[in-house]
Amino acid sequence: GQNIDQPTEMTATEGAIVQINCTYQTSGFNGLFWYQQHAGEAPTFLSYNVLDGLEEKGRFSSFLSRSKGYSYLLLKELQMKDSASYLCAVRDRDTDKLIFGTGTRLQVFP
Amino acid sequence: DVKVTQSSRYLVKRTGEKVFLECVQDMDHENMFWYRQDPGLGLRLIYFSYDVKMKEKGDIPEGYSVSREKKERFSLILESASTNQTSMYLCASSSLAGGHPGELFFGEGSRLTVL
Repeated sequence: GQNIDQPTEMTATEGAIVQINCTYQTSGFNGLFWYQQHAGEAPTFLSYNVLDGLEEKGRFSSFLSRSKGYSYLLLKELQMKDSASYLCAVRDRDTDKLIFGTGTRLQVFP
Repeated sequence: DVKVTQSSRYLVKRTGEKVFLECVQDMDHENMFWYRQDPGLGLRLIYFSYDVKMKEKGDIPEGYSVSREKKERFSLILESASTNQTSMYLCASSSLAGGHPGELFFGEGSRLTVL
């Protein structure tokens, strides 16, 4: 079966660091995406991992462990504009489609 | 930059009406997708297309149909709208070449309310 789990909501303080976890079970794995979606807007690409390890892009980093079926998105030096939903999506090797988690709504407080 | 444009941001329709949602992308992408997004359920794939005049059912195709007569345009059709089709509809496209394999580029979304 196919299943992607991520927390529903998280809160954090401006300037802090937050880690959003994603665990997945798919019949075949061929890459993991993180998207950011502000309320009422389109999801936008944040990061892509296909090999184990950490990918860093500015204040955002994403980690992947294929053996554990686990990824996290790390956001540093949080800003108010980082308040958004963060979507984890796995590319299924057999169907070549993206399977999305339900998203994590992050609220950043001053 | 890739641009995916959805024709309507907000629509209100009555039960039984036929609804057309249009999507156009300007980057010559081969693949196009229609998702619906509901609180607590995430994005669910309705239909997708890998080429002109081709269509494949996604995970929740019931009550929907699609049309892809031109490469840049992918339409979602609700033949007879029902209240349980009230949702946010997102169109997306992707390319076989370049970028990250499978990366989706999304439109702004169309919020449909069926009364």
